[in-house]
Amino acid sequence: AQSVTQLDSHVSVSEGTPVLLRCNYSSSYSPSLFWYVQHPNKGLQLLLKYTSAATLVKGINGFEAEFKKSETSFHLTKPSAHMSDAAEYFCVVTHTGGFKTIFGAGTRLFVKA
Amino acid sequence: NAGVMQNPRHLVRRRGQEARLRCSPMKGHSHVYWYRQLPEEGLKFMVYLQKENIIDESGMPKERFSAEFPKEGPSILRIQQVVRGDSAAYFCASSPEIGADGTQYFGPGTRLLVL
Repeated sequence: AQSVTQLDSHVSVSEGTPVLLRCNYSSSYSPSLFWYVQHPNKGLQLLLKYTSAATLVKGINGFEAEFKKSETSFHLTKPSAHMSDAAEYFCVVTHTGGFKTIFGAGTRLFVKA
Repeated sequence: NAGVMQNPRHLVRRRGQEARLRCSPMKGHSHVYWYRQLPEEGLKFMVYLQKENIIDESGMPKERFSAEFPKEGPSILRIQQVVRGDSAAYFCASSPEIGADGTQYFGPGTRLLVL
């Protein structure tokens, strides 16, 4: 069975400060993990993905995430938040070669000026 | 290469009417997935289709909902006799094939409002 838990429903940071969005997963298989971003009334954009290669994954817009198998975590980070980063972020798990995709409930990121 | 296309982007229906949502996958993609997003919630898997086949519909409500992906043309998600609780955003995603890394490419969604 697979599941995803995003530990914070809302995160608020000031512009220019670091961002940390937390995600824990469980999977009976070798997982593939993704982070997607959704801006208001828009579709989902892929930020980055882990698929059993390097455990530190770099994505678009300065985001990165580290796969930690021992902690079953895949937290999303960014060194310096920008106002345009304000959006909803989804952590997603599937298993390599599979199709069943499980979404976390989402974390809404607020960025204060 | 155009991305995943969905239409209409917004759809308003009265209770009891039918809603028909269309999804054209990315060029070269033969796998389509439908998801529903209720307000303030994440996306919930509904159905996975390949051309002319439903592979997994474990997330589809048992009644009123159906999906198809014909040999020619877009994938269609059909909701019959809509009720207010069907109001949601419906997203389609596509991927090239199983065995790839699992990445799905999402369309912009159709926002259904049932009055």
